[in-house]
Amino acid sequence: EPEVTQTPSHQVTQMGQEVILRCVPISNHLYFYWYRQILGQKVEFLVSFYNNEISEKSEIFDDQFSVERPDGSNFTLKIRSTKLEDSAMYFCASRGQSYEQYFGPGTRLTVT
Amino acid sequence: AQSVTQPDIHITVSEGASLELRCNYSYGATPYLFWYVQSPGQGLQLLLKYFSGDTLVQGIKGFEAEFKRSQSSFNLRKPSVHWSDAAEYFCAVGAGTPFGFQKLVFGTGTRLLVSP
Repeated sequence: EPEVTQTPSHQVTQMGQEVILRCVPISNHLYFYWYRQILGQKVEFLVSFYNNEISEKSEIFDDQFSVERPDGSNFTLKIRSTKLEDSAMYFCASRGQSYEQYFGPGTRLTVT
Repeated sequence: AQSVTQPDIHITVSEGASLELRCNYSYGATPYLFWYVQSPGQGLQLLLKYFSGDTLVQGIKGFEAEFKRSQSSFNLRKPSVHWSDAAEYFCAVGAGTPFGFQKLVFGTGTRLLVSP
């Protein structure tokens, strides 16, 4: 069964450093998403991406964040200068023509 | 704005007993509703969804949910809980145009504990 994969599973970085979180969506999917979950809190939408451009972004997704689909398979989230409050679990999701979003296992980002 | 409320933070159920997890949503248009389950250290797995039609929907692992428009609810049920069902359960509403980008708005989750 096709699944969304994410790497790395855990990333530790120092405040101010850049990080790139990687996702491989399901191959025939067209819509891509990033969500995050701060420990003990709910899952929050960050950004959606379709046809090689951002379709919607939340207030959280400020200028420090960017997304890219550099080739036909990967979907990346970059945080340019990490802050302590960026520590969270980051989930990638994708969907095809139906409405179900399929989530990856997540990347736990720890900013020290 | 769209929102989802899951009023129970924790629920403990005996193995073999029935389960109902509550979910209320706020959304102006026809909602697209989902239940996801998250086991410890795992991602979010889709249990079931409601888009239209029959208001009682069946999902994986023996779960079902009933959409009640009059109550703005989409409660998750299972007739007999297994120890492996212990996890966190999230209700979500798809916000956006039906053929659009449909970001998901999640509730705060309900942690299910299963006692022997």
